[in-house]
Amino acid sequence: GAGVSQTPSNKVTEKGKYVELRCDPISGHTALYWYRQSLGQGPEFLIYFQGTGAADDSGLPNDRFFAVRPEGSVSTLKIQRTERGDSAVYLCASSFRAVTDTQYFGPGTRLTVL
Amino acid sequence: AQSVTQPDIHITVSEGASLELRCNYSYGATPYLFWYVQSPGQGLQLLLKYFSGDTLVQGIKGFEAEFKRSQSSFNLRKPSVHWSDAAEYFCAVRNQGAQKLVFGQGTRLTINP
Repeated sequence: GAGVSQTPSNKVTEKGKYVELRCDPISGHTALYWYRQSLGQGPEFLIYFQGTGAADDSGLPNDRFFAVRPEGSVSTLKIQRTERGDSAVYLCASSFRAVTDTQYFGPGTRLTVL
Repeated sequence: AQSVTQPDIHITVSEGASLELRCNYSYGATPYLFWYVQSPGQGLQLLLKYFSGDTLVQGIKGFEAEFKRSQSSFNLRKPSVHWSDAAEYFCAVRNQGAQKLVFGQGTRLTINP
């Protein structure tokens, strides 16, 4: 079946602009995660959704970052007033349930802030 | 705070040679442990995971890992590597009460022909 998909695959923007990154999880998966991977580093957790609600947003770096999942499926990560330090690959993952199930990752969106 | 250390940033081995990638974690209790592989332009793919039970875990693509509680380690091994194993490998842990994965910084594996 289809895996986790993310759009766009690449996004180039200018400092100060607003961007939205989309994640389409595997059908039927109730848990959805966002991670950020900077160059040469492992992924870092941003936020976790169980259904429509954000169950853990402790990894969001500041209030410029926000994520939604209004219908419990597709999620959008929103970044306001982008900064050059936001440049990274943003990864989305989903799992059937959150407790012990494997997190399946999408290919990521590479964000470059000029 | 929990942390994961992968001491080797880059490892080069010859095709057909054995491989061991190291992973150490800092945690208060026995976490759930994972190894993922990331090829260029690809998403992270799960190789294997340890939750409980037998401390030697078998995964896909001929990989295995051994959980050693006394050493807080979860090293990944493969008896004979193939050129297609060249990739970035990440060790990750998850607290039994939480959902987020905490990753190490990764080990880049290069295979010499």
